Parts: sequence; C-alpha cells; structure tokens
Amino acid sequence: EDQVTQSPEALRLQEGESSSLNCSYTVSGLRGLFWYRQDPGKGPEFLFTLYSAGEEKEKERLKATLTKKESFLHITAPKPEDSATYLCAALPGNTGKLIFGQGTTLQVKP
Amino acid sequence: DAGVTQSPTHLIKTRGQHVTLRCSPISGHKSVSWYQQVLGQGPQFIFQYYEKEERGRGNFPDRFSARQFPNYSSELNVNALLLGDSALYLCASSLDSFTDTQYFGPGTRLTVL
Repeated sequence: EDQVTQSPEALRLQEGESSSLNCSYTVSGLRGLFWYRQDPGKGPEFLFTLYSAGEEKEKERLKATLTKKESFLHITAPKPEDSATYLCAALPGNTGKLIFGQGTTLQVKP
Repeated sequence: DAGVTQSPTHLIKTRGQHVTLRCSPISGHKSVSWYQQVLGQGPQFIFQYYEKEERGRGNFPDRFSARQFPNYSSELNVNALLLGDSALYLCASSLDSFTDTQYFGPGTRLTVL
C-alpha cells in the first residue's frame, strides 16, 4: 500500500536555528515528490517538486532533497514567518492521486 | 493570474442535508482534483477529473460525487451529510492529470451539526 510518513509531527526552533524535516515514502513507481506549506485554515501553498533521486531544489531559506526512500526539507536560519505546517506528498504510478503525509508543524520563536 | 478559487468559504449544514462545493481552476488548467482534510491530518484524495472525465476516485462512499464542466470548473456534491464529513475541502488544479504539479485553492470549511 502506498504510504507517506513525516517526522517529527511538531518542531520548535529558535530563530536562526537550522533543522531538517523528514518525509519517508513507500510508493509504487514514484512520478514526483511534492512539498507544500500550509498556514492555519488555508489551502496548501506549493513549494517544490522533485522527480528523481539526487535532485535538489532551493528557495530562500528552504532546500528540498530526494533519495529513493525519503525526502528532506532543510530550513536554514529560520525566521518566525516560516512557522507553518509543511506537507509532503507523493504521486505514485499511473495516477494523479497525491498521497500526503500528516505534516510537520513548525514553530519558530524569535 | 488568478489562482484556484473555491466557493463558499465557509458552510454550516445539519446532518442529512446535501451540500455543493464549487471550484474554478487556474486558467489553462484542464485537471481538477478534490481532497478532504480533517483537522490535524494531511489531505485525503476524493476525485480527479481531466477534460470532464473522471480519472480517479479515492476511498469515499457513494454519497460523494463530482463533475467537471466544459469550462473546466468543477462541483463536489455530498449527500446525506454526517458529522464526520466536517472538514476542509480542497480543490487543486493542474495542467494534466498525471505528472503536473497540483495547485490548491483556499478551501471550503464545512461544518456539519
């Protein structure tokens, strides 16, 4: 069964304290791995798409990487405005159905 | 360019009632997907439509149905509402149905009393 698991469920950081979020996936024929940011009560905001192992993408303080079993979202020197829930989703096989993890809620304190 | 739009923003219904949620995709996008997000969990796939044809269905009861119109907008219908249907309903659009990034709308918050 296709499955995506994120860890940790919650993460508290001090402003400037770098860390990484993990996304482990078991998906048949992965076609893409997606990262989204979600603020409370709002829809997910697209961050990155990764298609193959070894691929990396960066945007401001965020960097996403992909291996054959997991993806990492690295946050460098976070700011309070980076506080949100980060969702990982896998697109398996011959389908347009995104399989989401439960999310990691990040809180960055000033 | 306008993003994905959804209406209404919030909705309160009672058990047994019917609800219709609406979604307009990003201009040029031909695929629309619907997801249900219960508080504290990741979104769960309900349906995907591409060029007005159903391309995928998640593990939801037959009370849930959807359709896509010639202008690529979409409706999600839920009959005989249950308390457990209370959730944020998300619509996502993409250029095609299989590989392209899905962009989400703001969602419709449904509360069933």
